[in-house]
Amino acid sequence: GENVEQHPSTLSVQEGDSAVIKCTYSDSASNYFPWYKQELGKRPQLIIDIRSNVGEKKDQQIAVTLNKTAKHFSLHITETQPEDSAVYFCAASSGAGSYQLTFGKGTKLSVIP
Amino acid sequence: SQTIHQWPATLVQPVGSPLSLECTVEGTSNPNLYWYRQAAGRGLQLLFYSVGIGQISSEVPQNLSASRPQDRQFILSSKKLLLSDSGFYLCAWSGPGPNTEAFFGQGTRLTVV
Repeated sequence: GENVEQHPSTLSVQEGDSAVIKCTYSDSASNYFPWYKQELGKRPQLIIDIRSNVGEKKDQQIAVTLNKTAKHFSLHITETQPEDSAVYFCAASSGAGSYQLTFGKGTKLSVIP
Repeated sequence: SQTIHQWPATLVQPVGSPLSLECTVEGTSNPNLYWYRQAAGRGLQLLFYSVGIGQISSEVPQNLSASRPQDRQFILSSKKLLLSDSGFYLCAWSGPGPNTEAFFGQGTRLTVV
């Protein structure tokens, strides 16, 4: 099955700096890669996703890049704010036509004012 | 618009007692339904998913079971809880078909004592 590794597990940045979270996956047939943000005590919510026919996608201050050859994808957050502090999870579909998402273990991002 | 309801929000149960967590979705038909467990430092672990009434796929062998008696209802059960069943349980739904965004419920914090 699919295996997703996520790094780093914790990340602290100064307000206004950028943050980068990286994930690798094992199943070359996976073709859907969402990112979720989970604030303390709340449910995970989708912030951005990318499909295998796209190499990069941006939405305001966040962007995701995908390298299918290397089987890794990354989340980039620019101009971080304290409200960006949360746990971020990457995920990968478990192969083409899959109903399952395999999640990374999460990155706890702290933005220091 | 679509909404997902999950209850109860918190639950404290003794070892050996039964469990029933319920999840319902409104505003959509034939959703894919999921049960995840979130343990500290271990990300989101898929327990069960269902693509239709009565269709349950199990990802992790354990003393939990799931049922889907109606199109938009998903139930997580156990006959006898173990201490290791403690955790944060999340129900989620996604649109019909594979590789679609998952929307999570508020979660249930289960403590087995």
